[in-house]
Amino acid sequence: EAGVVQSPRYKIIEKKQPVAFWCNPISGHNTLYWYLQNLGQGPELLIRYENEEAVDDSQLPKDRFSAERLKGVDSTLKIQPAELGDSAVYLCASSHSWSSYNEQFFGPGTRLTVL
Amino acid sequence: AQTVTQSQPEMSVQEAETVTLSCTYDTSENNYYLFWYKQPPSRQMILVIRQEAYKQQNATENRFSVNFQKAAKSFSLKISDSQLGDTAMYFCAFGSGSGAGSYQLTFGKGTKLSVIP
Repeated sequence: EAGVVQSPRYKIIEKKQPVAFWCNPISGHNTLYWYLQNLGQGPELLIRYENEEAVDDSQLPKDRFSAERLKGVDSTLKIQPAELGDSAVYLCASSHSWSSYNEQFFGPGTRLTVL
Repeated sequence: AQTVTQSQPEMSVQEAETVTLSCTYDTSENNYYLFWYKQPPSRQMILVIRQEAYKQQNATENRFSVNFQKAAKSFSLKISDSQLGDTAMYFCAFGSGSGAGSYQLTFGKGTKLSVIP
């Protein structure tokens, strides 16, 4: 079984440029999460999807961040424009929701460096 | 809002020895799950062990076990017979939500564990 796929693995951009991250969850997983992990910190939830619906986006900075999961499968997280403080690892995770508190499976993450 | 505290930023243990990582949390909820995740240098987060708050029995997975003290809001991880492959960041996480499969994880800041040959 393939795991959660994220691309790119690394991205270096200059500040004020746009950037996008892509995530493909494990097949059959209807719940998808985007987390932000700053250096030396634990991940923090940005947004959670149930199928194509964003059910929790309260931590997503909506002035510059946006996300979509149009067909309820893969998802894209975008930052426009990027700021120096956005340098971090962006993790995607997925789970299925037909039983309680199923394990969240994490992807390898995208390490973003903003210069 | 839930908070998770890991008071040990770094720890080390000799190979084959036992080590315990500490975690405390704060919540007003009665039904929740607690997790320990491992993040090796490759950065892929892997679930180590899970504990349901309504269960009194401590969870065990091979060399990994937890000491869950619900009243004290404490959830420590014990690694027995430490192996070099256990070297990683370990994150304690609190799971809350509707109780279905979709839920939010609140993570601690992590403990960097080094296993010394």
